[in-house]
Amino acid sequence: ILNVEQSPQSLHVQEGDSTNFTCSFPSSNFYALHWYRWETAKSPEALFVMTLNGDEKKKGRISATLNTKEGYSYLYIKGSQPEDSATYLCAFIGSARQLTFGSGTQLTVLP
Amino acid sequence: DSGVTQTPKHLITATGQRVTLRCSPRSGDLSVYWYQQSLDQGLQFLIQYYNGEERAKGNILERFSAQQFPDLHSELNLSSLELGDSALYFCASSTRDRGLSGANVLTFGAGSRLTVL
Repeated sequence: ILNVEQSPQSLHVQEGDSTNFTCSFPSSNFYALHWYRWETAKSPEALFVMTLNGDEKKKGRISATLNTKEGYSYLYIKGSQPEDSATYLCAFIGSARQLTFGSGTQLTVLP
Repeated sequence: DSGVTQTPKHLITATGQRVTLRCSPRSGDLSVYWYQQSLDQGLQFLIQYYNGEERAKGNILERFSAQQFPDLHSELNLSSLELGDSALYFCASSTRDRGLSGANVLTFGAGSRLTVL
């Protein structure tokens, strides 16, 4: 069983604050890492696909970095807005090409 | 609308019963994945099909079964239901088969919420 861990489990920030959270995954047999955003009462939607060590991806105020050698990825949100409130999931894909989700970080941005 | 259609959206049934959840993948996607999300749990992978064939199995109970039909829609059958089977069941699709390519993400349906009383 692959261990994909996300921290913190939940996070409350004030509007305008910047924040970041972590996804840890096995550093061996890495193939790809996905980040998904999951808003309440909706279904998860893909944010980023990361495949190379050192990858940095950005979409608006959200960005992500990847370190495959040490087995972690960070997701950053700059100037958080209430609409950023969601659960952020990372998903690890190993050499078996199967996807394993972390349990997510639940972000609440307070106005 | 993600293009992945799941029915029913909500289902309430009793213990011991059997239900079928249905999923139509996004047009052009050949792979279908089923996930379970129970209260306070993350997304647990159940099973994957590609073009009608089972490709991978996760933590799927023996009381559960699934199949993918020639038109690519998939059904998840849950039998001898227990209270603990109450959960949100998601279907997702992707275009690739032999595991996901790095760039090939999952597209999720809206989920089917099952309540077992």
